[in-house]
Amino acid sequence: EVQLLESGGGLVQPGGSLRLSCAASGFTFTTYAMTWVRQAPGKGLQWVSAIDGRAGSTYYADSVKGRFTMSRDNSKNTLYLQMNSLRAEDTAVYYCAKLSGYYASGTYHFDYWGQGTLVTVSS
Amino acid sequence: EIVLTQSPGTLSLSPGERATLSCRASQSVSSSYLAWYQQKPGQAPRLLIYSTSSRASGIPDRFSGSGSGTDFTLTISRLEPEDFAVYYCQHYYSSPYTFGQGTKLEIK
Repeated sequence: EVQLLESGGGLVQPGGSLRLSCAASGFTFTTYAMTWVRQAPGKGLQWVSAIDGRAGSTYYADSVKGRFTMSRDNSKNTLYLQMNSLRAEDTAVYYCAKLSGYYASGTYHFDYWGQGTLVTVSS
Repeated sequence: EIVLTQSPGTLSLSPGERATLSCRASQSVSSSYLAWYQQKPGQAPRLLIYSTSSRASGIPDRFSGSGSGTDFTLTISRLEPEDFAVYYCQHYYSSPYTFGQGTKLEIK
């Protein structure tokens, strides 16, 4: 059974940093691309970033490019999202999700999702 | 960037009725790369349909998808109480992946 468990969310001041983690199990982690999707309170889904199976390539939404860094440790079956220079508009539940294939550049849907972790950016 | 517009914003129906949800893209999307997700309050999204019309594992056959080009549809043939939720379409042909704004399906 595929399981994705996010952690690391919390309250942070504007301009601060936070690192999210997503522990994966139930599938061969290195074989699949992974992604982060966020959802602001009461709003819709917004794609944030994606990474290839062996971390060869990463992709970011324009709204987080240069501030967020996505990485993975395949030896630990864990995905990360380092978030710097946080803004109020980054407040959201952050979901990690598994793609249905190896490449993050496109053509694979998001087949399994974690339960999310809440990030609140406020002074 | 492909913009996906879903309609209606809210759909009020009764159990047993048929639901038709629309997703329109700002430019042509290959039907191989259009998905639908269901999200219930306090829960993560769940994959329903991928490649426009393929049901994900464990999804009942009352859910079906269709469409091509810029117009796509999710149909729920006979609504069950557990189907009342928010539904999102998404294209995944290339980065940036985008989602529609969602259609809330509520009990009438």
